[in-house]
Amino acid sequence: EIVLTQSPGTLSLSPGETATLSCRASQSVSGSSLAWYQQKTGQAPRLLIYGASSRATGIPDRFSGSGSGTDFTLTISGLEPEDFAVYYCQQFGSSPYTFGQGTKLEIK
Amino acid sequence: QITLRESGPTLVTPTQTLTLTCTFSGFSLRTRGVGVGWVRQPPTKALEWLALIYWDDDKRYSPSLQSRLTITKDTSKNQVVLTMTNIDPVDTATYYCARRPNYYDNRGLDYWGQGTLVTVSS
Repeated sequence: EIVLTQSPGTLSLSPGETATLSCRASQSVSGSSLAWYQQKTGQAPRLLIYGASSRATGIPDRFSGSGSGTDFTLTISGLEPEDFAVYYCQQFGSSPYTFGQGTKLEIK
Repeated sequence: QITLRESGPTLVTPTQTLTLTCTFSGFSLRTRGVGVGWVRQPPTKALEWLALIYWDDDKRYSPSLQSRLTITKDTSKNQVVLTMTNIDPVDTATYYCARRPNYYDNRGLDYWGQGTLVTVSS
């Protein structure tokens, strides 16, 4: 089973700043099959990034993903007030399709 | 328009079996590559992947819960059913169903239901 470790647990930033979120896998994720989701309180997760770096439909270009193998990054440039939420990574390289424990992005 | 909706009991007694149904529209589980899965989230905690079933009836489970989970599909009704046996208070969570659009590429879960909160208590 691939374990995904996200860091930091909480990130405190101000609107306009750039957020850098990390997701590290315990073993290589095949095919860069890594996705990022955003979840706001009381809502279902929303797919942001798939294939490590491809934006899902309707996702603003301030969201970008990068990485391969065991190290992946989600970058949010020019934070908007609506971006403050919890972010999860998930791998589809091998079953079980595990999630990371999440990073909470909060307003400083 | 793609939608998914979870349904099932909101309160379950410990040791019972939980049955949840995901009813979807806008796509078919007869389409090659498509899958529908379940994810849960205990209150204030992280997402946990549970199970997923593909168009060809390939089933994947979380190893830690595999002995208690069964996922099935009814393509004629556009439904996926998850059963969890021997339910316990630690299984209290919001349960989501979601679509994986294509097994053959690296897209994630692109459409989600709104979730259903299941409370386990005597």
